[in-house]
Amino acid sequence: EDQVTQSPEALRLQEGESSSLNCSYTVSGLRGLFWYRQDPGKGPEFLFTLYSAGEEKEKERLKATLTKKESFLHITAPKPEDSATYLCAVQGGGSTLGRLYFGRGTQLTVWP
Amino acid sequence: GAGVSQSPSNKVTEKGKDVELRCDPISGHTALYWYRQSLGQGLEFLIYFQGNSAPDKSGLPSDRFSAERTGGSVSTLTIQRTQQEDSAVYLCASSLDSSGNTIYFGEGSWLTVV
Repeated sequence: EDQVTQSPEALRLQEGESSSLNCSYTVSGLRGLFWYRQDPGKGPEFLFTLYSAGEEKEKERLKATLTKKESFLHITAPKPEDSATYLCAVQGGGSTLGRLYFGRGTQLTVWP
Repeated sequence: GAGVSQSPSNKVTEKGKDVELRCDPISGHTALYWYRQSLGQGLEFLIYFQGNSAPDKSGLPSDRFSAERTGGSVSTLTIQRTQQEDSAVYLCASSLDSSGNTIYFGEGSWLTVV
């Protein structure tokens, strides 16, 4: 069964304190691993898609990496405006083709 | 439109009433998804449409839930005889297709059953 597990559930960082969020997954025929940011009361906002092990993508203070079993979202020198819930999801190519499986998310708080 | 549009943004309904939630996907997107997010919970898959193929309804929690997609574009999620446990945010998303293309979400419809 396709599964996604994110850790930690919550993370508090001081402004400028770099860290990483983890997303472990099992999926049949990975078609894509997605990272989203979700602010309270809003829909998930797309950040990155990764397709194969070894792939990396960057956007401002965020960098996403992918291995065959997990993905990391590295946050470098975070700012308070980076506070949000970060969601990881995978899309497989097996019998559940098309379905996006989400983790429970990591709630990030960055304080000044 | 520029993004996925959902309506209503907020809906309060009495227990036992039927509700309809609407989703306008991004123009040209053939794949459309419905998810549910309860307070403090993760996103729960409900249903997925891909082009003219039969939808994947395996995530619908009961037969009170149904969805249709007309003309390959607009989708309506219908909840009959609403229950308090149906209170949640219902999120719609769309993508070009299901082969790993970016999936974009709307802002959601907040449903409260009283």
